[in-house]
Amino acid sequence: NAGVTQTPKFQVLKTGQSMTLQCAQDMNHNSMYWYRQDPGMGLRLIYYSASEGTTDKGEVPNGYNVSRLNKREFSLRLESAAPSQTSVYFCASSEGTGHTDTQYFGPGTRLTVL
Amino acid sequence: AQTVTQSQPEMSVQEAETVTLSCTYDTSESDYYLFWYKQPPSRQMILVIRQEAYKQQNATENRFSVNFQKAAKSFSLKISDSQLGDAAMYFCAYRRLGGGSNYKLTFGKGTLLTVNP
Repeated sequence: NAGVTQTPKFQVLKTGQSMTLQCAQDMNHNSMYWYRQDPGMGLRLIYYSASEGTTDKGEVPNGYNVSRLNKREFSLRLESAAPSQTSVYFCASSEGTGHTDTQYFGPGTRLTVL
Repeated sequence: AQTVTQSQPEMSVQEAETVTLSCTYDTSESDYYLFWYKQPPSRQMILVIRQEAYKQQNATENRFSVNFQKAAKSFSLKISDSQLGDAAMYFCAYRRLGGGSNYKLTFGKGTLLTVNP
């Protein structure tokens, strides 16, 4: 039981390049999330998927797109990377039902855009 | 919009001593959830403890306990018998009740805890 996994762990991009961050969970969770963490700040929600087949914008969605490929996988795409997108990206998942819907996080991807 | 404030950017504690990390939040909701997450140098976000606002009893998990003051909108974390492995960044987080966009966690900016041997 690996929980939430993310690939890659590190990535360096040049401005304008594109890339996709991959996330998978093996806990049979319905909901999945993408957050970014910038220095001196807590995590901020980029996009989330309440259930398979649905996605919604979070607090900071500009410059990103997401795909809920199936129940296990939720990818985050940067179409044209900008230096402002340099950050640590976390994927999380939760059951998505009931009151106590605790989110469990992956190990993060450190992205640098030059 | 909900906000979460952690007023202590850094704290330090001696090994085996007790430390309390502060968190306040702002909400107009009556029911919600509060969390403390720990982020060690590995960057992994680890759930430490969870509190449901409708429960009057403070949550405890082994050496970790909270002091939840609903009227004051305060949610502090107490770590007893501090260990070197407790050194990490600690984040307080809030979530509204219900589904959909309510599943969003709102995080504070974190408190960096150092444990001195």
